[in-house]
Amino acid sequence: EPEVTQTPSHQVTQMGQEVILRCVPISNHLYFYWYRQILGQKVEFLVSFYNNEISEKSEIFDDQFSVERPDGSNFTLKIRSTKLEDSAMYFCASKGAYNSPLHFGNGTRLTVT
Amino acid sequence: AQKITQTQPGMFVQEKEAVTLDCTYDTSDQSYGLFWYKQPSSGEMIFLIYQGSYDEQNATEGRYSLNFQKARKSANLVISASQLGDSAMYFCAMREAAAAGNKLTFGGGTRVLVKP
Repeated sequence: EPEVTQTPSHQVTQMGQEVILRCVPISNHLYFYWYRQILGQKVEFLVSFYNNEISEKSEIFDDQFSVERPDGSNFTLKIRSTKLEDSAMYFCASKGAYNSPLHFGNGTRLTVT
Repeated sequence: AQKITQTQPGMFVQEKEAVTLDCTYDTSDQSYGLFWYKQPSSGEMIFLIYQGSYDEQNATEGRYSLNFQKARKSANLVISASQLGDSAMYFCAMREAAAAGNKLTFGGGTRVLVKP
């Protein structure tokens, strides 16, 4: 069964550094998302992407964050200058149609020291 | 106001028994969808079941069923014949038709521990 893949599974970075989290959504999917989950807390929406542009972003998704779909298969989340509070599990998700459920990747655990 | 409320932070259930996880939602949309996801300790998010607001019958998927009470705005998940592998965090989520980006909004989750 096709799946969403995320790399790396765990990333450790120093405060102030840039990180890029990578995702390969399911190939025929059209809607792409990033969510994050701070340890033990709820899953929070960051951004949605459709038709090569951001369709919505949350208040968490400030100027330090950006997304790209550079080549038609990858979908990346960049954090320009990481802060301690960016430490969380970041999930990429995709879906093929409006009413379809989201298919999540296994997540990237980001630790900012 | 919270859009999705899961009032049970954690619960124990005996193996082979059924368990009901509560979920209430708040929306003014007529068209919306309700989802349940399972998150085992390994961290991945696994889709379990979906209920559309216009679906007249409660959704079922194997041992999972959704007790959808539209007037009460509740969408409780029932897991029948619990197994040890059901121990996990369970999240209720909603997609509103009017929500830009077609995003899901998640509740705070319920941690289930199945006892042998």
